[in-house]
Amino acid sequence: EAQVTQNPRYLITVTGKKLTVTCSQNMNHEYMSWYRQDPGLGLRQIYYSMNVEVTDKGDVPEGYKVSRKEKRNFPLILESPSPNQTSLYFCASSLTPPGGAASGEQFFGPGTRLTVL
Amino acid sequence: LAKTTQPISMDSYEGQEVNITCSHNNIATNDYITWYQQFPSQGPRFIIQGYKTKVTNEVASLFIPADRKSSTLSLPRVSLSDTAVYYCLVGVRSGAGSYQLTFGKGTKLSVIP
Repeated sequence: EAQVTQNPRYLITVTGKKLTVTCSQNMNHEYMSWYRQDPGLGLRQIYYSMNVEVTDKGDVPEGYKVSRKEKRNFPLILESPSPNQTSLYFCASSLTPPGGAASGEQFFGPGTRLTVL
Repeated sequence: LAKTTQPISMDSYEGQEVNITCSHNNIATNDYITWYQQFPSQGPRFIIQGYKTKVTNEVASLFIPADRKSSTLSLPRVSLSDTAVYYCLVGVRSGAGSYQLTFGKGTKLSVIP
């Protein structure tokens, strides 16, 4: 089954404790992206990756890191989480960059709800 | 950075047609417009995508005027299961082949029995 998986689905942590949220897709997609969703703010892009070893900042990259060592995986790293990073996080992938081509439909993961105390 | 503007919320009765408009004044020449649907506690799901004029699929239609500064998602004969948040997405080319994406804040559609 074609899908995007994220782990963990729920995480409660404390300020300053490094964490990684994994994201994996099995559709051989080149474009992957991380979003955070907060009430009243909609979906905001954190980082995206056009292909292996190619990453770039989205709207709200501060406090986050990403890596793209393999095509299927795109982990999100919080080196020193803070309470303002409490949010719902979504990973997404698409065959081509979404918004710029007719085939750029994004497939979203189920989300990771992160709470930083 | 492209900005999109949508109504925050809309109510509709079952069986009615619903039109949700998104404004995107600085859309680039090559950008497509995409709409997503999101149910609570789930990731967004693709509904429809278009470049100009009109696109129709089995669930919705998308109308885009000639100037492309706005787009309208049309949902025919909505049912209770269409209650969700609808997002308009416009891509912005931010470098050689790179795309930073901007979602609107979404429109919460409530379908009333």
